[in-house]
Amino acid sequence: EAQVTQNPRYLITVTGKKLTVTCSQNMNHEYMSWYRQDPGLGLRQIYYSMNVEVTDKGDVPEGYKVSRKEKRNFPLILESPSPNQTSLYFCASSLGDGGSYEQYFGPGTRLTVT
Amino acid sequence: GENVEQHPSTLSVQEGDSAVIKCTYSDSASNYFPWYKQELGKGPQLIIDIRSNVGEKKDQRIAVTLNKTAKHFSLHITETQPEDSAVYFCAATKAGYQKVTFGIGTKLQVIP
Repeated sequence: EAQVTQNPRYLITVTGKKLTVTCSQNMNHEYMSWYRQDPGLGLRQIYYSMNVEVTDKGDVPEGYKVSRKEKRNFPLILESPSPNQTSLYFCASSLGDGGSYEQYFGPGTRLTVT
Repeated sequence: GENVEQHPSTLSVQEGDSAVIKCTYSDSASNYFPWYKQELGKGPQLIIDIRSNVGEKKDQRIAVTLNKTAKHFSLHITETQPEDSAVYFCAATKAGYQKVTFGIGTKLQVIP
């Protein structure tokens, strides 16, 4: 089944404790992206990646890191989480160039930082 | 950068009525405008999209219109059904350029 998977789905952590949210897709998509969803703010792009070893900042990259060492994986790293990073996070992938820009979203990761 | 405004933020309609959600964008270089539907507890899913070389696109009960001059695009859902209840997001981007800006979302409630 074609899908984007994220782990963990739920995470409660404390301020300053490094964490990684994994994202993996099995569709051989070139493009992957991370978003955060907050009430009243919609979806905001954190980082995106056009291909392996190619990443770029979205609208809200502060406090986050990403890496794209393999085509299928795009982990989101919070080196020192703070309470304002409490949010619902989505990973997405798309074919990219070639005519289809539809993004396929993962199920989301709900992060709480206390 | 791109700025996308979406309204209304909430919308209630009777089953069978039509629903319209509107978005405006700021960057005249944007040329791809998707609409996503997010059901409770799930990730958003593409329902329809339009490119700037087209003024209107339909898919059964769903249609999207685009006015490039005014920089606005709208989602139209006809004959609404309870399963249309969800949050709908519009977005704007340049095809091939992967920075995407979403609207704040519209929570649609279809009352049986």
